[in-house]
Amino acid sequence: RKEVEQDPGPFNVPEGATVAFNCTYSNSASQSFFWYRQDCRKEPKLLMSVYSSGNEDGRFTAQLNRASQYISLLIRDSKLSDSATYLCVVKGTGGFKTIFGAGTRLFVKA
Amino acid sequence: EAGVAQSPRYKIIEKRQSVAFWCNPISGHATLYWYQQILGQGPKLLIQFQNNGVVDDSQLPKDRFSAERLKGVDSTLKIQPAKLEDSAVYLCASSFRSTNEKLFFGSGTQLSVL
Repeated sequence: RKEVEQDPGPFNVPEGATVAFNCTYSNSASQSFFWYRQDCRKEPKLLMSVYSSGNEDGRFTAQLNRASQYISLLIRDSKLSDSATYLCVVKGTGGFKTIFGAGTRLFVKA
Repeated sequence: EAGVAQSPRYKIIEKRQSVAFWCNPISGHATLYWYQQILGQGPKLLIQFQNNGVVDDSQLPKDRFSAERLKGVDSTLKIQPAKLEDSAVYLCASSFRSTNEKLFFGSGTQLSVL
């Protein structure tokens, strides 16, 4: 089993749609969780951190379920500019390395 | 604020040749990371430095890859000799601390091994 697994995608959605991505992780000791966004041929950039209580940033909502060891990202009212690859990132403490998922590609079409 | 600087942007070499990449992190960032990203995959951590000490190099192919961060600032990653499967984008990232901190990435070096 991979340490971090994501929905393979690609997700093709129309503008205005709501889309959700899931990510599962295998190490129950993981402490920190993030979603990064990566545009084609560009470097990853932090989209948002994921907190135990869940958090929202505009049209983006992130959730963490420690019992089931998964995190999710919900995008509401999709825009063309949301087209990108979304990377799930899991990090532990005490020297655990930062692990990236393979990413989920999203295409938003007009 | 200046971002993470990497060079070169592109590199094409033949297999068995050597190559080196350079990274200058954001000023004041103690932690520096080198990632390898193969097309269609997520970034894979090769090595993590805290100041000039190695925190994690468990996935670094040490028979051919080496990295150093002298004086705890900039860093170089070397591959010698290169193999075809080393073709990838090599990303350098830095963070202020190593825990619960966002990573700032450089633009990466795209390596093609022919």
